[in-house]
Amino acid sequence: DIVMTQTPLSLSVTPGQPASISCKSSQSLLHSDGKTYLYWYLQKPGQPPQLLIYEVSNRFSGVPDRFSGSGSGTDFTLKISRVEAEDVGVYYCMQSIQLPPTFGPGTKVDIK
Amino acid sequence: EVQLVESGGGLVQPGRSLRLSCAASGFTFDDYAMHWVRQAPGKGLEWVSGISWNSGSIGYADSVKGRFTISRDNAKNSLYLQMNSLRAEDTALYYCAKDTVTILCDAFDIWGQGTMVTVSS
Repeated sequence: DIVMTQTPLSLSVTPGQPASISCKSSQSLLHSDGKTYLYWYLQKPGQPPQLLIYEVSNRFSGVPDRFSGSGSGTDFTLKISRVEAEDVGVYYCMQSIQLPPTFGPGTKVDIK
Repeated sequence: EVQLVESGGGLVQPGRSLRLSCAASGFTFDDYAMHWVRQAPGKGLEWVSGISWNSGSIGYADSVKGRFTISRDNAKNSLYLQMNSLRAEDTALYYCAKDTVTILCDAFDIWGQGTMVTVSS
């Protein structure tokens, strides 16, 4: 199975300040079809996960443009340009280039 | 409104069985693969099983292989998870999730609220 790691595991951010989360995979997530199967999810307290970013850098419908994703191969980053109170929760990266799809351990983001 | 609603969770003794259901609405169910993802209390996300649009492709996590069976009924817009030989470590909130493609596996763009399964004597 592909192992996903995230750093940091927790992050406390002042509203309006940027935040960055790193995600690394144990194997390249670049498929021969040209797609990179890396996704970001946010699980807000008491809610199911919601898709934020698909294929490394594409924001899902309704996701604010303060969220951005970047990276390639095995190294990826999620950035929040200006954190807002509604951004608190646990952020997960996920790969689906091969079964089983696997998630990172999660990064808990809270507000200072 | 696109919606997934899970049901069937509860308290069950180790070794017993349980069947989860997921009712889909607001989208063309048989156009997409579907998945079960679970989250143990206070823990992260673990993919459990997935099924392609026509049930032709199915996958399981090693932790449930041989004990759990995923199925779907496209006529009823429903997804199921038959869980046998349950163990304490199967205790979790079980989410139903919609894929963005017909086959396995891409992104999970719609999630239900989950149904809690507790395995305890």
